[in-house]
Amino acid sequence: NAGVTQTPKFRILKIGQSMTLQCTQDMNHNYMYWYRQDPGMGLKLIYYSVGAGITDKGEVPNGYNVSRSTTEDFPLRLELAAPSQTSVYFCASRPQLTGESKAFFGQGTRLTVV
Amino acid sequence: AQKITQTQPGMFVQEKEAVTLDCTYDTSDQSYGLFWYKQPSSGEMIFLIYQGSYDEQNATEGRYSLNFQKARKSANLVISASQLGDSAMYFCAMRENRDDKIIFGKGTRLHILP
Repeated sequence: NAGVTQTPKFRILKIGQSMTLQCTQDMNHNYMYWYRQDPGMGLKLIYYSVGAGITDKGEVPNGYNVSRSTTEDFPLRLELAAPSQTSVYFCASRPQLTGESKAFFGQGTRLTVV
Repeated sequence: AQKITQTQPGMFVQEKEAVTLDCTYDTSDQSYGLFWYKQPSSGEMIFLIYQGSYDEQNATEGRYSLNFQKARKSANLVISASQLGDSAMYFCAMRENRDDKIIFGKGTRLHILP
């Protein structure tokens, strides 16, 4: 199993450009999450999804959009990129279980907006 | 309101000593889970340990244990016999079962000294 795969690994965007960060998982997990991590800081939840067709806002959703048309994919869209969106973005997924349902993380996408 | 508080931005510990990383949380939910993740300099997120709100025993995983004090809303991570490879950022996280968000603290950077 590949687990959670994020593409691209690195990207430089100019201010005002848009892009989509891809996230796919092959574990048939219902729950998926997008986080951003600013340098030396913790992870902030951007959006999450409890299943295909369902998405919800996290702590810092402004400037981002998501969709969840399939169980496997959870892309994150940046419209009109701003320098404040320079960060490392992590996608995570977890199964629909009670108890120890830990989140599995992708390797991250390092985004720089110049 | 911040839901996960890690008050130690950085810690220096001598190799082979035990170390406790503090985590307090805030929730009105009766059913929740607490996690610790390790993030080495490579940037990946590594799951360490989980504690459920209804678990009566403290969780243990090898050299890691979670000191869960429900009434005080604390979930401290204890690493016994620290090793150089334990140098990393450590994040405490909580999942409230009512909405399935997973929220992270700001982290503690642990330095193990030889």
